[in-house]
Amino acid sequence: RKEVEQDPGPFNVPEGATVAFNCTYSNSASQSFFWYRQDCRKEPKLLMSVYSSGNEDGRFTAQLNRASQYISLLIRDSKLSDSATYLCVADYGQNFVFGPGTRLSVLP
Amino acid sequence: DTGVSQDPRHKITKRGQNVTFRCDPISEHNRLYWYRQTLGQGPEFLTYFQNEAQLEKSRLLSDRFSAERPKGSFSTLEIQRTEQGDSAMYLCASSFGQIAEAFFGQGTRLTVV
Repeated sequence: RKEVEQDPGPFNVPEGATVAFNCTYSNSASQSFFWYRQDCRKEPKLLMSVYSSGNEDGRFTAQLNRASQYISLLIRDSKLSDSATYLCVADYGQNFVFGPGTRLSVLP
Repeated sequence: DTGVSQDPRHKITKRGQNVTFRCDPISEHNRLYWYRQTLGQGPEFLTYFQNEAQLEKSRLLSDRFSAERPKGSFSTLEIQRTEQGDSAMYLCASSFGQIAEAFFGQGTRLTVV
């Protein structure tokens, strides 16, 4: 089993749609979780941290289920500018492990 | 610009040559990470430093790869005797403290021909 797995994608959705990404991690000792966004041929940029209680930042909501070792990202009212690859990240000891990413294309 | 900076942005080299990349982290960050990313994949961990100490290395980091962070500031990643399979984006990231969010530089894209 890979350390961090994500929905294979790609996701093609119309503007205004709600889209959810799922991620699972294998290390039950992981404590920190993040979602990064990566545009084509650019570096990953931090989108949001994921907290146990769940957290929201505008149109973005992240959830963590420690028992199931599952993380999710919900994007509401998607915009064309949301088109990117979304990377799920968990800490493994003292480094971060990235998932393979899920590509999102928001269509006009 | 106070972000993470990497140099060069692009490097084309012939197979068998040595290359060296530099990363300047955010100044107050004590942790520095190197990742490698190929098309369609997420970044793969290579190594990380806390201050000047290299604390962990991935098995991906063969003996042709070496990284340093003298004085706990900038870091260099050297690849000796490059192979075509080394072609990738090499990303540097830094963070402050343990398991805090990491911020990435723009990467060095290596092409081995």
